[in-house]
Amino acid sequence: DVVLTQSPATLSVTPGERISLSCRASESVDTYLHWYQQKPNESPRLLIKYASQSISGIPSRFSGSGSGTDFTLSINGVELEDLSIYYCQQGNSLPYTFGAGTKLELK
Amino acid sequence: QVTLKESGPGILQPSQTLSLTCTFSGFSLSTYGMGVGWIRQPSGKGLEWLANIWWDDDKYYNPSLKNRLTISKDTSNNQAFLKITNVDTADTATYYCARIEAWEYYFDYWGQGVMVTVSS
Repeated sequence: DVVLTQSPATLSVTPGERISLSCRASESVDTYLHWYQQKPNESPRLLIKYASQSISGIPSRFSGSGSGTDFTLSINGVELEDLSIYYCQQGNSLPYTFGAGTKLELK
Repeated sequence: QVTLKESGPGILQPSQTLSLTCTFSGFSLSTYGMGVGWIRQPSGKGLEWLANIWWDDDKYYNPSLKNRLTISKDTSNNQAFLKITNVDTADTATYYCARIEAWEYYFDYWGQGVMVTVSS
């Protein structure tokens, strides 16, 4: 199975700052890497597909980059509503796997 | 508008069989390329993919639970099902169903989730 390692586990943020979250795969997943946001007591929501492709309805401050084994989710100007857990997921090979998540909290 | 909603027993005892239903609208599992997946999340923990079923009735399971999982569908009623046999406390989780399209490999619409507790 492909293991996805997300870092940091928790990130303390100040509204307005630009932040980057990391997702590393144990083997290449090409660009079959997707990002989800999960707010407390809600279902995950697709944020970015194929490493860097935007999703309709998602604010433009969210962006993704990377390929192979190293991926980054960036938020350009964090807002309070972004305080959530962010998961990466690989769809390159079965079984699909998710990272353990990065939790954004208020500094 | 795509929506999905899960339903289940709420609580069951160890060794029983868990039966979950996903009722959806806005797409059809008889349409070429459409699929539904099941994902679970223990409280306070991460996400685990369980199984997918496709429009052509192809099925894929997570090998870690494969012998215990059965996924199926009722196309005429827009429903997908998941059964997990011989449950134990480790199966306590919120279970989500989500839409997936063939050759896309991500889940674009999710249900609200149903909480399942396994307890004696």
